[in-house]
Amino acid sequence: EDQVTQSPEALRLQEGESSSLNCSYTVSGLRGLFWYRQDPGKGPEFLFTLYSAGEEKEKERLKATLTKKESFLHITAPKPEDSATYLCAVRGETSGSRLTFGEGTQLTVNP
Amino acid sequence: NAGVTQTPKFRVLKTGQSMTLLCAQDMNHEYMYWYRQDPGMGLRLIHYSVGEGTTAKGEVPDGYNVSRLKKQNFLLGLESAAPSQTSVYFCASSFWKDSYGYTFGSGTRLTVV
Repeated sequence: EDQVTQSPEALRLQEGESSSLNCSYTVSGLRGLFWYRQDPGKGPEFLFTLYSAGEEKEKERLKATLTKKESFLHITAPKPEDSATYLCAVRGETSGSRLTFGEGTQLTVNP
Repeated sequence: NAGVTQTPKFRVLKTGQSMTLLCAQDMNHEYMYWYRQDPGMGLRLIHYSVGEGTTAKGEVPDGYNVSRLKKQNFLLGLESAAPSQTSVYFCASSFWKDSYGYTFGSGTRLTVV
């Protein structure tokens, strides 16, 4: 059974204070690790997909990295508009098209 | 440019009442999913469909039924609502093993009193 654990549950930063969110996973044959952003009252929006250890992807102030056991979402010099819940999900080789989600990290960036 | 549309957006039910949530997508996706999202429990898969006329159980299927009579629509039914079904429900769709995972709807907030 695929499992995803995200930490911390909540993170409060000052504008410009860089930090990282963690996603630990166990999966039989990783076929993709996904990061989503979810704003209050909305559905999750896709950010990144990572497929193999060592892979990195960037978008504006966000960078996602992947190892064999975990992924990090690094946020550099965050702004208040980066405040959201960030979700991590995995797809394993026995999952078909299904994703297993973590509980998310609620990020608040204060001005 | 609609993507995935869910109706209704909000609903309050009394215990024992029934209702149907509708999900419609205009991207010609083969796969569709229903999730519920609860505080501290993340997104949990209720049912999913791998194509028109097919349905399958997810992680938490009890108390729900689904139908996929048309490729673009995926219906989630609650035959006899219970307070434990108070949640935010999300529909999603995808192609087979899409590189971006899913496209989500904006959710339905359901309260059962």
